[in-house]
Amino acid sequence: SQQGEEDPQALSIQEGENATMNCSYKTSINNLQWYRQNSGRGLVHLILIRSNEREKHSGRLRVTLDTSKKSSSLLITASRAADTASYFCATGGANSKLTFGKGITLSVRP
Amino acid sequence: DAGVIQSPRHEVTEMGQEVTLRCKPISGHDYLFWYRQTMMRGLELLIYFNNNVPIDDSGMPEDRFSAKMPNASFSTLKIQPSEPRDSAVYFCASRDTGELFFGEGSRLTVL
Repeated sequence: SQQGEEDPQALSIQEGENATMNCSYKTSINNLQWYRQNSGRGLVHLILIRSNEREKHSGRLRVTLDTSKKSSSLLITASRAADTASYFCATGGANSKLTFGKGITLSVRP
Repeated sequence: DAGVIQSPRHEVTEMGQEVTLRCKPISGHDYLFWYRQTMMRGLELLIYFNNNVPIDDSGMPEDRFSAKMPNASFSTLKIQPSEPRDSAVYFCASRDTGELFFGEGSRLTVL
């Protein structure tokens, strides 16, 4: 069963705008990760946030985690056409498994 | 490091045939995962190994699916006999701590 559910399913923005993607999950987690997938390629890890962390930054990426609401958000600032991809959240529990959501399709218009 | 290497990248076969997908994880990674991706079901974890030992195969859909990891540098996912509903992209991923490193996937089409 899918653990994380991303929202929205699809997002279209103009280059230079910020993109915000949300993920909700159901059970307790050790960490939450975000991945990116370009069309026809494998997934690439973007950022990991642990359950005792609330916010993390990496370049133009900002991730927040609210364990009380069982939700996370990924913010991409100053988006570029090259950010066009599918984005997935994945939850990690104590058993080393990572469970992925169905993903968000982000289109950045030049 | 070359990353996770999967072969073949594309496989087209007929229903009833045996399919073997291969994966070479990143050297030193002690976890290996097999996922399947379809439009309808997204990314599903099929099985994962730790130090070559299968830990959880609860995601393997049927007995037609089997996976092995004979050593730390090689794993196979076998489907016998294959069916059209097995058509999907199969990903292998490896990990030492935290993040997963994915291969480019094997796109399987069963006619």
